Amino acid sequence: KAGVTQTPRYLIKTRGQQVTLSCSPISGHRSVSWYQQTPGQGLQFLFEYFSETQRNKGNFPGRFSGRQFSNSRSEMNVSTLELGDSALYLCASSLARGRSYEQYFGPGTRLTVT
Amino acid sequence: DQQVKQNSPSLSVQEGRISILNCDYTNSMFDYFLWYKKYPAEGPTFLISISSIKDKNEDGRFTVFLNKSAKHLSLHIVPSQPGDSAVYFCAAPSSLMNNNAGNMLTFGGGTRLMVKP
Repeated sequence: KAGVTQTPRYLIKTRGQQVTLSCSPISGHRSVSWYQQTPGQGLQFLFEYFSETQRNKGNFPGRFSGRQFSNSRSEMNVSTLELGDSALYLCASSLARGRSYEQYFGPGTRLTVT
Repeated sequence: DQQVKQNSPSLSVQEGRISILNCDYTNSMFDYFLWYKKYPAEGPTFLISISSIKDKNEDGRFTVFLNKSAKHLSLHIVPSQPGDSAVYFCAAPSSLMNNNAGNMLTFGGGTRLMVKP
């Protein structure tokens, strides 16, 4: 079974631009979560989508948004990029059946904002 | 407010010896815990988990211990191997919106384990 895939793997943007990251979950997984990893803040939860609906949201500004498609693929968007948005963005998928807490992570997208 | 804490940013261990990675939590509502391992340029990989109804869970070389009264858990790796060198995160599931719905993991800051040959 193919794992979680994320595209692109690396991205360089300039301040003020916007960016869209893509995530394809493991086949059959209906929940997709996004996390931001930075050296100073560690791994922080951004949001979770389930059946095309945002089910949970972390403490991030409205510049961070996402969506999920009917095939469970998900995208996240960051508008008006700031230098502090430079981070590794990780996508994770899970079965979301009952209390299934195991999440399977993709390799991440390394975003650099200059 | 860091609800899950890993107070040791790094740990160095000799190959063949035991590695003990610690994690503390403050939220008594947490009832399930997971350990993830992360290599550079890769996403975290699930390692082992434990429910709060247990105080120990073992999987091969990896054992997780949970002390609910102390709000403390630890991951033991025996024997440690050079390939175990990675960053280890403990995590707990929680939901901000409603009772026990959704998948949101709160992670500790991670501990970098270095196993020397």
